[in-house]
Amino acid sequence: DAGVIQSPRHEVTEMGQEVTLRCKPISGHNSLFWYRQTMMRGLELLIYFNNNVPIDDSGMPEDRFSAKMPNASFSTLKIQPSEPRDSAVYFCASTLTTNQPQHFGDGTRLSIL
Amino acid sequence: RKEVEQDPGPFNVPEGATVAFNCTYSNSASQSFFWYRQDCRKEPKLLMSVYSSGNEDGRFTAQLNRASQYISLLIRDSKLSDSATYLCVVIFTGNQFYFGTGTSLTVIP
Repeated sequence: DAGVIQSPRHEVTEMGQEVTLRCKPISGHNSLFWYRQTMMRGLELLIYFNNNVPIDDSGMPEDRFSAKMPNASFSTLKIQPSEPRDSAVYFCASTLTTNQPQHFGDGTRLSIL
Repeated sequence: RKEVEQDPGPFNVPEGATVAFNCTYSNSASQSFFWYRQDCRKEPKLLMSVYSSGNEDGRFTAQLNRASQYISLLIRDSKLSDSATYLCVVIFTGNQFYFGTGTSLTVIP
């Protein structure tokens, strides 16, 4: 079975550029999560969706970050404009319901120069 | 106080040793508990769920102590391949979930 699929796996771009990260959750999963992980701050929840609706976006750092889930099989996390401090690994995860374990994608390693 | 707290370690243990990690949580109205494993530069992966009666999977034992509000993970006969970061997850009533910051384990030959 396909797991959570994220793209791209790696992205290197210059500050000020728009970055779009993509995620396809496991089919049938109703909840989707975006995380950011750095050595300094660990794993941070940015936002999560239930049935395509954003439920908690309190972890989104600032207005430069936005996330959408137009349908049950696709979500994007966008950073515009990007800054060097946004460099991190961004994980997407999905689960059937929020009281079940989450399944993570391979992550996107983002470097902003 | 953080909702979920873990000792970050690092724990450095010799092969064959037994090692245990704890994860404390602040909200007694918690409903689900899990341990994840994360290898360097990889995604977190579910290691095991934690059941009220405790559960075992090979060399791994997970336990829940509701009275003292902590979960534990015990690894027996440590292998080099057990070296990783172990994260606990606690889901509180209302489906609020929290990841611990992780405990780093290195098994030394």
